[in-house]
Amino acid sequence: AQSVTQLDSQVPVFEEAPVELRCNYSSSVSVYLFWYVQYPNQGLQLLLKYLSGSTLVESINGFEAEFNKSQTSFHLRKPSVHISDTAEYFCAVTLPFSGGYNKLIFGAGTRLAVHP
Amino acid sequence: DTEVTQTPKHLVMGMTNKKSLKCEQHMGHRAMYWYKQKAKKPPELMFVYSYEKLSINESVPSRFSPECPNSSLLNLHLHALQPEDSALYLCASSQEWNTGELFFGEGSRLTVL
Repeated sequence: AQSVTQLDSQVPVFEEAPVELRCNYSSSVSVYLFWYVQYPNQGLQLLLKYLSGSTLVESINGFEAEFNKSQTSFHLRKPSVHISDTAEYFCAVTLPFSGGYNKLIFGAGTRLAVHP
Repeated sequence: DTEVTQTPKHLVMGMTNKKSLKCEQHMGHRAMYWYKQKAKKPPELMFVYSYEKLSINESVPSRFSPECPNSSLLNLHLHALQPEDSALYLCASSQEWNTGELFFGEGSRLTVL
């Protein structure tokens, strides 16, 4: 079965510490990979994406993620987090499904809690 | 304008009521989506419209009825809902379907009494 696994449901971290949120997927075909962030009482926002090309992708607010095909992973990292990074983070994968369309599959989410 | 606007932000309804959720985008996107999100869970796809035609229905009960009046608007008509339908309903749009680059609205939080 094709799926997305976020290995940590919650990640507590102190402000200015580094963080890694883990994401693994299972697929036998090429995929597109995404990280979405959801702040409290808001919708989801696209944080970064991997479609092709360089396996290291970066966002404007200091997050980065690296696509590792051999390990089927797309972990999200930030070298120094801020209180304002506290949010729910969803890894997502676009996988081909029947009927000729690609379905966006979300992981269960990781709650990042940044403490002062 | 890079926003997806959803109204109302909050809705409380009884099981016999009829109500509608509305979504609007002016980014020229050709695909629009309805997702349902329960607390502490990821969004679940309900419907996909592409070029104003219903392309995907993820086996959603008929008490939810989507409508796409034009390329900028998406409605979700609600009738005879159950308390377990209480959730955050998210609208999203994308340039085309078959991409994962979705723009989400802030959602309509629905409570069914």
